[in-house]
Amino acid sequence: QKEVEQDPGPLSVPEGAIVSLNCTYSNSAFQYFMWYRQYSRKGPELLMYTYSSGNKEDGRFTAQVDKSSKYISLFIRDSQPSDSATYLCAFRRNRGSTLGRLYFGRGTQLTVWP
Amino acid sequence: DTAVSQTPKYLVTQMGNDKSIKCEQNLGHDTMYWYKQDSKKFLKIMFSYNNKELIINETVPNRFSPKSPDKAHLNLHINSLELGDSAVYFCASSVERGDTQYFGPGTRLTVL
Repeated sequence: QKEVEQDPGPLSVPEGAIVSLNCTYSNSAFQYFMWYRQYSRKGPELLMYTYSSGNKEDGRFTAQVDKSSKYISLFIRDSQPSDSATYLCAFRRNRGSTLGRLYFGRGTQLTVWP
Repeated sequence: DTAVSQTPKYLVTQMGNDKSIKCEQNLGHDTMYWYKQDSKKFLKIMFSYNNKELIINETVPNRFSPKSPDKAHLNLHINSLELGDSAVYFCASSVERGDTQYFGPGTRLTVL
């Protein structure tokens, strides 16, 4: 079983739609949960970051973590064409020799059309 | 006011050549990383340096050799390039190990 599973899509939605992006993971040592956004031909940029189960909201974005199910989600409300990008989930342990190593999903390509 | 910069942005070269990619960060961070992103967008760590000391070295062929002359620079030298080395290579940095990582714009390497 892969440590991180993420559906690569592509996902295409109309402007204004609610988008749901998901990842599952198998490593119980993962304690930090992140979503990165990567525009075409650019480097990934951190979008959301959390370390506990539950929801974290930032504007139109909500990150949800369910540690018991090893499942994380990113919701985008009122999606905009400028949200068109690849979204990568990422995970990190909180201790050990590989502290700092990020484990990425394969990314979900999202297109929001006007 | 570039945070993490990489040079060159594009690199096209023949199989068997040796090439280097340079990375610099002006954020004052202690930790730097090299990642490889393949054609399917899978991003995987290769190396990490903390204060010029190698702390993460994933299973990477020894044709790849990172070099950190100082805290602000982490260069990647690749010997005897192979077709499978074609990818986008990203440099990143963080304040310390375990902190938020900031990525550079990437270097697109094509080996012919």
